[in-house]
Amino acid sequence: GESVGLHLPTLSVQEGDNSIINCAYSNSASDYFIWYKQESGKGPQFIIDIRSNMDKRQGQRVTVLLNKTVKHLSLQIAATQPGDSAVYFCAENPFSNSGYALNFGKGTSLLVTP
Amino acid sequence: GAGVSQSPRYKVAKRGQDVALRCDPISGHVSLFWYQQALGQGPEFLTYFQNEAQLDKSGLPSDRFFAERPEGSVSTLKIQRTQQEDSAVYLCASSFRQASSYEQYFGPGTRLTVT
Repeated sequence: GESVGLHLPTLSVQEGDNSIINCAYSNSASDYFIWYKQESGKGPQFIIDIRSNMDKRQGQRVTVLLNKTVKHLSLQIAATQPGDSAVYFCAENPFSNSGYALNFGKGTSLLVTP
Repeated sequence: GAGVSQSPRYKVAKRGQDVALRCDPISGHVSLFWYQQALGQGPEFLTYFQNEAQLDKSGLPSDRFFAERPEGSVSTLKIQRTQQEDSAVYLCASSFRQASSYEQYFGPGTRLTVT
């Protein structure tokens, strides 16, 4: 079935380096995508979102890139800090504005080493 | 301001017991979602409320799962005759908007362990 998936389950980066977390989706009808950060014992925390009419969106130290041609989404974190260590999920709304479920990927664990 | 709160944070139940999990959404948020998150997995959608109306319950895994939001604010997820496969973190999220294509704010979750 159609699903959201991630290329890498774990990612280790050095403090100060840039991080890139990738996500593939297969539902071409998806028009809204979100990145969440989840720390141990906590609920997912919104990072940034993007709609399908955009290919790039920037936040504070984060950038999301959307490539609809290859159905690929990425999250870039600049100058990664120890506090960025967490599991990162991408999620999609595959039904435009008419559906209610967010489909989450499995997650990528980001470990920032000093 | 206050975020989404959930109680209890941890619940241990013996197999066959009934449990009730509570969610207090952000005040004024119209939409409320329940998700189930198994260990090492992403959250999976269970059900959705718009105010007091349950508009989508397609993700509930069995008829042992029941959710309500009678006054359009606090919601309760009830699991009857718990089974070991029900062990998971149950997450509640709320949103100001009436669809899921907008930011959802998550609570800390309730970790349910069925022994």
